[in-house]
Amino acid sequence: EPEVTQTPSHQVTQMGQEVILRCVPISNHLYFYWYRQILGQKVEFLVSFYNNEISEKSEIFDDQFSVERPDGSNFTLKIRSTKLEDSAMYFCASSEGLGQWETQYFGPGTRLLVL
Amino acid sequence: QKEVEQDPGPLSVPEGAIVSLNCTYSNSAFQYFMWYRQYSRKGPELLMYTYSSGNKEDGRFTAQVDKSSKYISLFIRDSQPSDSATYLCAMTGSARQLTFGSGTQLTVLP
Repeated sequence: EPEVTQTPSHQVTQMGQEVILRCVPISNHLYFYWYRQILGQKVEFLVSFYNNEISEKSEIFDDQFSVERPDGSNFTLKIRSTKLEDSAMYFCASSEGLGQWETQYFGPGTRLLVL
Repeated sequence: QKEVEQDPGPLSVPEGAIVSLNCTYSNSAFQYFMWYRQYSRKGPELLMYTYSSGNKEDGRFTAQVDKSSKYISLFIRDSQPSDSATYLCAMTGSARQLTFGSGTQLTVLP
């Protein structure tokens, strides 16, 4: 069964450093998403991406964040200058992109720890 | 008022019990309602979704939506130890961004 994959599974970084989280969405999907879950808190929407541009973004997704589809398979989330409060589990998701609503398939997540 | 509220539990039941999980919401624009299951150290996995009000059944799982009360439920019949997980309600309106509840941690004891 096709699945969303994410690398790395864990990342530890120093405050102020740049990190790039990588995702490989399901191959025929057209919509891609990033969510995050701070420990003990809700899963929160960050951004959706379609046709090589941001479709929607939340208030959390400020200028420190950027997304990119660098090639035909990868989807990345970059945090330019990490803060302590960026420590969270980051989930990538993808969906077919054919209807108004459709299942979003989540990857296993990348646990980011900012020291 | 939080947009989506969900009792975090934890909830512990014996095997075979009927489990009821619930969420309330405040945004009238929500029209798609989902239940995700999340095992430890894994991503959320969609269990069921419902459009607008009504019931939907899938095996041992039944999802109910009451838009007039802004209340959704997930019932699990004949619960099994393998059902032990965190259950997240999620919802959306015309946008694709999902708004999640905080999750209810369920343990089914053998």
